[in-house]
Amino acid sequence: EPEVTQTPSHQVTQMGQEVILRCVPISNHLYFYWYRQILGQKVEFLVSFYNNEISEKSEIFDDQFSVERPDGSNFTLKIRSTKLEDSAMYFCASSELGRRSTDTQYFGPGTRLTVL
Amino acid sequence: GENVEQHPSTLSVQEGDSAVIKCTYSDSASNYFPWYKQELGKRPQLIIDIRSNVGEKKDQRIAVTLNKTAKHFSLHITETQPEDSAVYFCAASPGTGGFKTIFGAGTRLFVKA
Repeated sequence: EPEVTQTPSHQVTQMGQEVILRCVPISNHLYFYWYRQILGQKVEFLVSFYNNEISEKSEIFDDQFSVERPDGSNFTLKIRSTKLEDSAMYFCASSELGRRSTDTQYFGPGTRLTVL
Repeated sequence: GENVEQHPSTLSVQEGDSAVIKCTYSDSASNYFPWYKQELGKRPQLIIDIRSNVGEKKDQRIAVTLNKTAKHFSLHITETQPEDSAVYFCAASPGTGGFKTIFGAGTRLFVKA
């Protein structure tokens, strides 16, 4: 069964550094998402992406964040200047059709980001 | 914006008993309600979902009910097993504005053998 994959599984960085988290959505899916989960807390929506542009973003997704689909398979989340509070698990998800949020989203295994 | 409340935060049951987790949402336009199971250190896995045109859905030992008038939805697990132990998240997708899913705070379920 196809799955969303993410790399790296764990990223450690120094405060102020840029990080890029990578995701490979399921191949026939058209809608892509990033979520984050601070340890022990709930999953929080960051951004959704369709047709090479952001569809929706949350208040967490400020100017330090950006997303890109650099080629036909990868979907990336960039954090320009990391802060301690960016430490979290970052999940990528994809859905086949989107359809105004009623389509099932499948999550990747996550990247644990640790900012020192 | 949408807000999802989930209760209880922790639930402990004996193996074989039933477990019920309840959620409420605020945006009456929400029309899709998935439930995710998350084991420690793993990704959220969809276990069941319900759309607003349906009041109840069942899949083996798992069922979900939706009351759109009261803006409540619940997860029911019957004949619980130790491997059901995990954190369960309810979620709601607003019917307007796009593609985000708002999660509840989670319920940590312990099933004692």
